[in-house]
Amino acid sequence: DQQVKQNSPSLSVQEGRISILNCDYTNSMFDYFLWYKKYPAEGPTFLISISSIKDKNEDGRFTVFLNKSAKHLSLHIVPSQPGDSAVYFCAASVEGAQKLVFGQGTRLTINP
Amino acid sequence: DAGVIQSPRHEVTEMGQEVTLRCKPISGHNSLFWYRQTMMRGLELLIYFNNNVPIDDSGMPEDRFSAKMPNASFSTLKIQPSEPRDSAVYFCASNLGLLPRAQHFGDGTRLSIL
Repeated sequence: DQQVKQNSPSLSVQEGRISILNCDYTNSMFDYFLWYKKYPAEGPTFLISISSIKDKNEDGRFTVFLNKSAKHLSLHIVPSQPGDSAVYFCAASVEGAQKLVFGQGTRLTINP
Repeated sequence: DAGVIQSPRHEVTEMGQEVTLRCKPISGHNSLFWYRQTMMRGLELLIYFNNNVPIDDSGMPEDRFSAKMPNASFSTLKIQPSEPRDSAVYFCASNLGLLPRAQHFGDGTRLSIL
């Protein structure tokens, strides 16, 4: 029972273009969402988050969009840089709970 | 600032042996999480502690797995006896507070059970 799904295992984008990573969830009780970035042989590092009371949160080149009616969130990276090549995980939690449920991850490759 | 520190980074052992993974959370953080990452199941939460007390261990796969947090700066995850299907990368993470917020991860322990 995969409550958080990242349906694209991999994505390849040209340097300088926009990268869009997608995430769907099934649990309507989720109200806090996060994106993590992971390099090989390292732990995931927090990138950006969004609360369900918002539909957009921006931090530099990274923007997360939340569509509650569709139970869908996306991460936009503009412009994409070679250092953005990594595995990206989305995660979600229920209100008042610390437990995070992670998606399977999407491997992003930025081509020069 | 020191991040979450896990040891060992790599562990290779034979089936049936006891395995102990260690974690030192970020100083001042009062919540600690143990995760396991596999190709099949992705990143799954095994157990987490608040103020050294286990809160949710529903992700612990079997009685062979146990976790302790004797003080605010140290936690262990033990597997006894180990089996080849326990091979995975085990991550420890910590954060501050009771509300959902970003967790800070260690670099993981890559465990191989032969």
